[in-house]
Amino acid sequence: QVQLEQPGAEVKKPGSSAKVPCKASGDTFNKRAINWLRQAPGQRLEWIGRLVPLVGVLTYADDFKGRITISEDISTATVYLHLNNLRSEDTAVYYCASDLPPAGSIDVSSLDFWGQGTLVSVS
Amino acid sequence: IQMTQSPLSLSASLGDRVIITCRSSQDIKNYVAWFQLTPGKPPRSLIFGSSNLQRGIPSRFSGSGWGTDFTLTITNLQPDDFGTYYCQHYIEYPLTFGEGTKLEIK
Repeated sequence: QVQLEQPGAEVKKPGSSAKVPCKASGDTFNKRAINWLRQAPGQRLEWIGRLVPLVGVLTYADDFKGRITISEDISTATVYLHLNNLRSEDTAVYYCASDLPPAGSIDVSSLDFWGQGTLVSVS
Repeated sequence: IQMTQSPLSLSASLGDRVIITCRSSQDIKNYVAWFQLTPGKPPRSLIFGSSNLQRGIPSRFSGSGWGTDFTLTITNLQPDDFGTYYCQHYIEYPLTFGEGTKLEIK
């Protein structure tokens, strides 16, 4: 079992930045990649990007390139989503979710464990 | 790759069987997963590889399909089954989701 811990909510001003943490723990958490997704009000889930920890391989969705970065703090097993130049349209619940790449690979696999989600409100 | 679900909402009684369908805009083999979202809870991963149950998911849930057409079936509907169900592909980047199917319990 893997646990992904996220704070409940953040309120931000337009034009500011947010740094959303996702702290991992449990069995095999260090073998898993971390994905970031979001769900804006009334919208479908949207994949933002993925980090393979330790290896440091990053992949971002085109719609978010240039405005987001994903980083990791290995010492605390925490992955961060950095959101820049926030707009009202970025108001959403942001989730982290893990996937376990196939052995010997860093290819994306099915999402298995999820964080509770962080509501980022921009106004 | 676009994922299209139907129906977008349905209402069913406890003990019923429900079927949700998902169609992809191109061949994704069996790289399909299903999730349940319920307000106030973390999303729940149900199915991977089109038909494989995630650990801890009851056998009332089942998935099938290959290529472009997929289904999620829930039998013997229970109160905890309400919520919104999403299909998602993971054959390539970007991962994309269906619109969601909102399941209400009568």
